[in-house]
Amino acid sequence: DVQMTQSPSYLAASPGESVSISCKASKSISNNLAWYQEKPGKANKLLIHSGSTLQSGTPSRFSGSGSGTDFTLTIRSLESEDFAVYYCQQYNEYPLTFGSGTKLEIK
Amino acid sequence: EVQLQESGPGLVKPSQSLSLTCSVTGYSITSNYWGWIRKFPGNKMEWMGYISYSGSTSYNPSLKSRISITRDTSKNQFFLQLNSVTTEDTATYYCARYKSSSLVDYWGQGVMVTVSS
Repeated sequence: DVQMTQSPSYLAASPGESVSISCKASKSISNNLAWYQEKPGKANKLLIHSGSTLQSGTPSRFSGSGSGTDFTLTIRSLESEDFAVYYCQQYNEYPLTFGSGTKLEIK
Repeated sequence: EVQLQESGPGLVKPSQSLSLTCSVTGYSITSNYWGWIRKFPGNKMEWMGYISYSGSTSYNPSLKSRISITRDTSKNQFFLQLNSVTTEDTATYYCARYKSSSLVDYWGQGVMVTVSS
């Protein structure tokens, strides 16, 4: 299985700041990486797929980069609604595997 | 809009079977792929398997002997059965739609299932 190492596990930031989350795959997954947002009481939301393609409805302050084994999710100018848990997930091969999550909290 | 809703018992006894239903509105399950993912306490996520538009299935090898995903197209529902559960199957279970054969684009809100005697 492809192991996904996500860091940091916890991040505190203030509205208006920018943050980055890293996701590293144990082997090349091309650009077959997705980022999801998790909020209590809501369905998980697909933010980015193909490493850097914004899903319809994802605000432009979100961006993804990387290919192969190293990927980054960047959120510019944080808004209050962005404080949530973020997961990366590879879909290059089965079984699909996930990062361990990053909890983004308000500082 | 596509919406998925999980339902089923919140408590299952060890050695019994866990059965969940995913009810889908806004889209037919005879298109795309549909599946189950779970999140354990501590936030580790595990892909469990899917059922395709044609009814074919694929499962995580770690679960292959215990899992079954089926569907009822007349009700636009699909189902998860996990046999011989242990306390390690305690998790929040999510149903999901796949945009392609492997990219999940819609999730249900999840249902928490505890395995305990």
